[in-house]
Amino acid sequence: DTAVSQTPKYLVTQMGNDKSIKCEQNLGHDTMYWYKQDSKKFLKIMFSYNNKELIINETVPNRFSPKSPDKAHLNLHINSLELGDSAVYFCASSSQGGENTEAFFGQGTRLTVV
Amino acid sequence: RKEVEQDPGPFNVPEGATVAFNCTYSNSASQSFFWYRQDCRKEPKLLMSVYSSGNEDGRFTAQLNRASQYISLLIRDSKLSDSATYLCVVDVNYGQNFVFGPGTRLSVLP
Repeated sequence: DTAVSQTPKYLVTQMGNDKSIKCEQNLGHDTMYWYKQDSKKFLKIMFSYNNKELIINETVPNRFSPKSPDKAHLNLHINSLELGDSAVYFCASSSQGGENTEAFFGQGTRLTVV
Repeated sequence: RKEVEQDPGPFNVPEGATVAFNCTYSNSASQSFFWYRQDCRKEPKLLMSVYSSGNEDGRFTAQLNRASQYISLLIRDSKLSDSATYLCVVDVNYGQNFVFGPGTRLSVLP
């Protein structure tokens, strides 16, 4: 069973389009995240949700809108896609608090904007 | 200054070598510390948590020095399969924000 699954795995789309990436976790975790890994391979947090509430919203264009319909899902919608949005987007989840609570990652969505 | 910094790499070592990775973090209130491993075109996966007293898992040893805000990872008897990017990760907000270092790439050569 896949713990954190995101779809699609690959996404190629034209500039200006709107697209969504879905993420689901079956680990019963309270916290879910979206990370972006750019061409330099640097992983940077975009959003963090805890029990469906937005906790962290880093400096991300408002074209990016996360939606958490329930604790197990955190989807990412992107409007008016730009070339610079091309990257790998990783969804992750972890349980709340405690020491050494690790984050589990999905397989990533490789987004290419042409 | 970046929140989490690592050796720039890459490290190219022969099989059987011992290799050490260093990491420093800027937020003294950080709670938990980890080493993750990322293979090419794959997601990051936990290699090991880092405990205050230091911990070992087979060929891997992690150390934490809170006073110096320094974390290390030692790999002994390197295998070809150890080739990957090693990411230093710091939890700065009780499991709500994991901050990643830029990673250090390791290539173990036959």
